[in-house]
Amino acid sequence: NAGVTQTPKFRVLKTGQSMTLLCAQDMNHEYMYWYRQDPGMGLRLIHYSVGEGTTAKGEVPDGYNVSRLNKREFSLRLESAAPSQTSVYFCASSYQGSSYEQYFGPGTRLTVT
Amino acid sequence: GQNIDQPTEMTATEGAIVQINCTYQTSGFNGLFWYQQHAGEAPTFLSYNVLDGLEEKGRFSSFLSRSKGYSYLLLKELQMKDSASYLCAVRDGNYQLIWGAGTKLIIKP
Repeated sequence: NAGVTQTPKFRVLKTGQSMTLLCAQDMNHEYMYWYRQDPGMGLRLIHYSVGEGTTAKGEVPDGYNVSRLNKREFSLRLESAAPSQTSVYFCASSYQGSSYEQYFGPGTRLTVT
Repeated sequence: GQNIDQPTEMTATEGAIVQINCTYQTSGFNGLFWYQQHAGEAPTFLSYNVLDGLEEKGRFSSFLSRSKGYSYLLLKELQMKDSASYLCAVRDGNYQLIWGAGTKLIIKP
């Protein structure tokens, strides 16, 4: 039982390059989330999914696209990276229901130069 | 707007007790979570409160007062491994999770 996994762990991009972050969970969770975490700020929700084939915008969706590939996998794509997207990206998942906690992946440290 | 406030940093001594406060102003309330995050790692769940009162889990307790928009996390018998950031998060009326910036707890021997 691996929980939530993310690839890659680290990446350096040049401005304008694209990349896809992959997230997978093996806990049969319906909900999946992508967050970014920047120094001095709380986790900010980028996009989320409440089930296979569904996605929705979070607090900071601009510059990012997501796909819920199947129940296990949720990808985040940066089409044209900008220095402002330098951050640590966390994927999380949870069961449906407001009382359920979110389980987080180990994070991806992305630097855009 | 929605806001969650926590102290930026706190220092405590090994073996002591520390209380980390969280105040919130959100559009509606559907529960409050506390998470622990060690440096360079992912957040991990500590506690959940939806009704007023104290929830105890071993050395950790969490308290909620909905009328005051206030919660605290109480850590007893502090150990060096408790050095971490503690994140407060509130589920608002739209069931979105709003996160505080976190409190960095430094434990000194």
